[in-house]
Amino acid sequence: QSVLTQPPSVSGAPGQRVTISCTGSSSNIGTGYDVHWYQQLPGTAPKLLISGNSNRPSGVPDRFSGSKSGTSASLAITGLQPEDEADYYCHSYDSTLSGTVLFGGGTKLTVL
Amino acid sequence: QLQLQESGSGLVNPSQTLSLTCAVSGGSISSGGYSWSWIRQPPGKGLEWIGYIDHRAYTYYNPSLKSRVTISMDRSKNQFSLKMSSVTAADTAVYYCARAQKVRGLIISSFDYWGQGTLVTVSS
Repeated sequence: QSVLTQPPSVSGAPGQRVTISCTGSSSNIGTGYDVHWYQQLPGTAPKLLISGNSNRPSGVPDRFSGSKSGTSASLAITGLQPEDEADYYCHSYDSTLSGTVLFGGGTKLTVL
Repeated sequence: QLQLQESGSGLVNPSQTLSLTCAVSGGSISSGGYSWSWIRQPPGKGLEWIGYIDHRAYTYYNPSLKSRVTISMDRSKNQFSLKMSSVTAADTAVYYCARAQKVRGLIISSFDYWGQGTLVTVSS
């Protein structure tokens, strides 16, 4: 069971706005460790979508945005498009035990 | 443009050792400031970080896999490798290699470059 909790699924109609949450704790997001987001299209490797909580790499549309507050982070997608249908993962660092890199369990986005 | 390419045995017998290699092109694994990770994804499931090696050959492993995993690097071939011992069916997954910047200490930033992944099936 992942220590970073994401909803298993979200959905929205084309043009709508959706958000995906990533809930952590005081040993990871709450400590101030950065949160990163990835998009994984079916049958492909994950692609970096948001780095360092809110930074979009070159080439990522500004429809995608990230934020962080307290022990949680969120990915927002505005102007939903059919090609946004994918799995989305958050990633951070956890300092329990000897520390480890963590991924959230993933969220399947369905464009209705 | 940095590229990573995984290769290795696609079928491994239970209790044996899984071996994979990630060939890096367009950049050097000996360049400071970066970590080189292995990440896996069981069929239909989420991502799990296995461990990384940095330019000094320092390694850092997922505590839950540490006893079975070894990551090494071959600077002359610009590649790094994964060995996982005593595999079971639970180790069946697509295995990815990926790069991330080192931030401080053991902490790394986002995975900005990924290989395409290679499926490893553990079965007799």
